[in-house]
Amino acid sequence: SQQGEEDPQALSIQEGENATMNCSYKTSINNLQWYRQNSGRGLVHLILIRSNEREKHSGRLRVTLDTSKKSSSLLITASRAADTASYFCATDPYTGGFKTIFGAGTRLFVKA
Amino acid sequence: DGGITQSPKYLFRKEGQNVTLSCEQNLNHDAMYWYRQDPGQGLRLIYYSQIVNDFQKGDIAEGYSVSREKKESFPLTVTSAQKNPTAFYLCASKGTGYEAFFGQGTRLTVV
Repeated sequence: SQQGEEDPQALSIQEGENATMNCSYKTSINNLQWYRQNSGRGLVHLILIRSNEREKHSGRLRVTLDTSKKSSSLLITASRAADTASYFCATDPYTGGFKTIFGAGTRLFVKA
Repeated sequence: DGGITQSPKYLFRKEGQNVTLSCEQNLNHDAMYWYRQDPGQGLRLIYYSQIVNDFQKGDIAEGYSVSREKKESFPLTVTSAQKNPTAFYLCASKGTGYEAFFGQGTRLTVV
């Protein structure tokens, strides 16, 4: 079963706008990660936030984590057409970091 | 270049045939994973291995088999028992950190 559930399933925005994607999970976690997948390619790691962190930044990416609500959000600011991709959250259960579980993803389309 | 390599990129399987997907990494990672991705869907875990000569079933292991005889290699066999094998298959590895490194995937189609 999937641990993470992303919302929305699909998002279409104009270049320059911000894109926000949400992820909910069910069990206690060590950390939460966000990955990006271009069409027909493998996933690429974007950012990791640990369970004791509330917010993290990397370039145009901002991730928040609310462990009380078991949810995270990924914000991409000033989006570009090249940001068009699917974005997945992934969690490593508190019991061990080997069985990484991925959500269903949000498909982002940025119109030029 | 360090990385994880999957081959072939495209694979066609006839009904009743077993096929093997290759995954090789030169990152010196202990853990390796196989995921299945269906169109517009997320990743589902098939098998994972934490160390050589050891592997565990994931959420959808039925109809698949793996081996881990070498640290660098984690091949996946899609057997004839897998009734709906058409999908995109992704291999990944992890080292001492939490970041997973992915190959570029193999697209398997039943013909």
